[in-house]
Amino acid sequence: SQQGEEDPQALSIQEGENATMNCSYKTSINNLQWYRQNSGRGLVHLILIRSNEREKHSGRLRVTLDTSKKSSSLLITASRAADTASYFCATAGGSYIPTFGRGTSLIVHP
Amino acid sequence: DTEVTQTPKHLVMGMTNKKSLKCEQHMGHRAMYWYKQKAKKPPELMFVYSYEKLSINESVPSRFSPECPNSSLLNLHLHALQPEDSALYLCASSQGQGQETQYFGPGTRLLVL
Repeated sequence: SQQGEEDPQALSIQEGENATMNCSYKTSINNLQWYRQNSGRGLVHLILIRSNEREKHSGRLRVTLDTSKKSSSLLITASRAADTASYFCATAGGSYIPTFGRGTSLIVHP
Repeated sequence: DTEVTQTPKHLVMGMTNKKSLKCEQHMGHRAMYWYKQKAKKPPELMFVYSYEKLSINESVPSRFSPECPNSSLLNLHLHALQPEDSALYLCASSQGQGQETQYFGPGTRLLVL
């Protein structure tokens, strides 16, 4: 399975702190994506990183990809209470259909 | 318009009922997806339609029947469901099946009694 596994499963921080989530996967991929899901809602695409890329930025988000270690990290800087959500990594192989990991639940306390 | 809409938002049905979930997008996307998500779990792919044809069925029980009447619309017909089918059903679309980014609707929360 190409399913990613996020770590930690839950993360609780104070507003203003940085939040780092990690994703590990088992087989080769074409790309890896991060999605956010607010409680009981649909998923919002955050960022996509391709297998030949090592780092991408989008606003307060920074994603890294290490294909040799089959792992990725999502860093949210200067977190806000509104960042409270579940974050999923999704890996895609030849079909380009993402397979989602189990997610990290982030709580940012105001 | 970058929105995927889903109706209804909530649905309660008995095990003998027949109901349908509806998904619509007007982004010109040619691939549409149904996912099932249980509480505190990741979304699980159910079906993929590409150019209005079913291209992937992830061994979903026949009590779930997808339909793609046109390129903007995706339905999921439900019949004789079980209580364990209660979940959040998410629809998504992408430019094509080989295109990476999926746009998700808000989901339909289904409760089977």
